[in-house]
Amino acid sequence: GQQLNQNPQSMFIQEGEDVSMNCTSSSIFNTWLWYKQDPGEGPVLLIALYKAGELTSNGRLTAQFGITRKDSFLNISASIPSDVGIYFCAGQRIETSGSRLTFGEGTQLTVNP
Amino acid sequence: NAGVMQNPRHLVRRRGQEARLRCSPMKGHSHVYWYRQLPEEGLKFMVYLQKENIIDESGMPKERFSAEFPKEGPSILRIQQVVRGDSAAYFCASSRRGGGAVDTQYFGPGTRLTVL
Repeated sequence: GQQLNQNPQSMFIQEGEDVSMNCTSSSIFNTWLWYKQDPGEGPVLLIALYKAGELTSNGRLTAQFGITRKDSFLNISASIPSDVGIYFCAGQRIETSGSRLTFGEGTQLTVNP
Repeated sequence: NAGVMQNPRHLVRRRGQEARLRCSPMKGHSHVYWYRQLPEEGLKFMVYLQKENIIDESGMPKERFSAEFPKEGPSILRIQQVVRGDSAAYFCASSRRGGGAVDTQYFGPGTRLTVL
């Protein structure tokens, strides 16, 4: 099946630093999404990208949909302790049989105050 | 607005027992997706249902697993004769529109199944 390569697997940063993570795929997706998951909770949608080349911001978060439709990145600026968690990218293909999400393996972010 | 609700949040079963996981989609949503997350991994698609119909079950094991989304009531993911390898977090997501349309999936808090 389809696989997404998400990098890095983990990051340890100081409060105030910027963070960047990315996902690449061998397949094309119609939509790229970024989710955050806190321990014991379900994924929460951060940003959704619908068009190749699209650059979208949500507060301190910025994400881009790659031109080839096979990759995406997420940047977090001026990190704060509550940014700690696991960040997942997800690609979505729009098909009549459903719009399942294919997830990356996650980036575990630790922010030291 | 209530979000996606799942229960139970935690479920412990012994090998060979049955596990029933419930998911109530957001109000106005008639499309449900189930995903499984093993420890230290991302979520993996299992099944996609609309009301009273299974649309895509290609991600679900052929044996012991079944899912339904009746006209009334929550969606149910059923695992018969559980084995230790079934231990995982099971998430459902709901959306307003389904196949063929761009739509956002909203996730529930998950059910953490532990098989002893």
